[in-house]
Amino acid sequence: AQKVTQAQTEISVVEKEDVTLDCVYETRDTTYYLFWYKQPPSGELVFLIRRNSFDEQNEISGRYSWNFQKSTSSFNFTITASQVVDSAVYFCALSGDQGAQKLVFGQGTRLTINP
Amino acid sequence: DSGVTQTPKHLITATGQRVTLRCSPRSGDLSVYWYQQSLDQGLQFLIQYYNGEERAKGNILERFSAQQFPDLHSELNLSSLELGDSALYFCASSQFKGQVGSPLHFGNGTRLTVT
Repeated sequence: AQKVTQAQTEISVVEKEDVTLDCVYETRDTTYYLFWYKQPPSGELVFLIRRNSFDEQNEISGRYSWNFQKSTSSFNFTITASQVVDSAVYFCALSGDQGAQKLVFGQGTRLTINP
Repeated sequence: DSGVTQTPKHLITATGQRVTLRCSPRSGDLSVYWYQQSLDQGLQFLIQYYNGEERAKGNILERFSAQQFPDLHSELNLSSLELGDSALYFCASSQFKGQVGSPLHFGNGTRLTVT
């Protein structure tokens, strides 16, 4: 069975601090995909990034960066110089190689950036 | 804007009633997914349709059913509603054509309140 664990339920930091959101996953598939989604207070789910299991390169997009480590089954997300607009619930998700596209989501981490 | 349209945005109904949630996928996407987001269960996969056919089933109750029409829009029918069905229901679409890994793009959700 596939499982995603986001151990941090809530994180609160002051603006401009760096913050890392942890994601640990479990899967028996050799090919799988990892995702991060953002859910701002308005409620929609916004796709941020996808990573496949064969690509362990870290990704950087502006203030966002992602660290994928297969050895520890982790796919962590770091926001550098956080801003109030980054306040949201962030979800990590996993999709396996099962011929269908079932995303298994973690429970989410509520991130609050205080001015 | 993800390009996925969900209607209605809010729905308030009584126990025992039946409702229909509607979703139009992004242009070009053949696959539609339904997810339920509740406080206690998090984001749960309900069902996936690909080009009109059911592709995968998750934790969908027997009281719930869905279909995807020839024009690719989808409807989720919830019947004999219970208080516990109150949740945010998301529709998503992707370019999935048999291979997993395509990101899911979510609509803004329908918030269902059962009183």
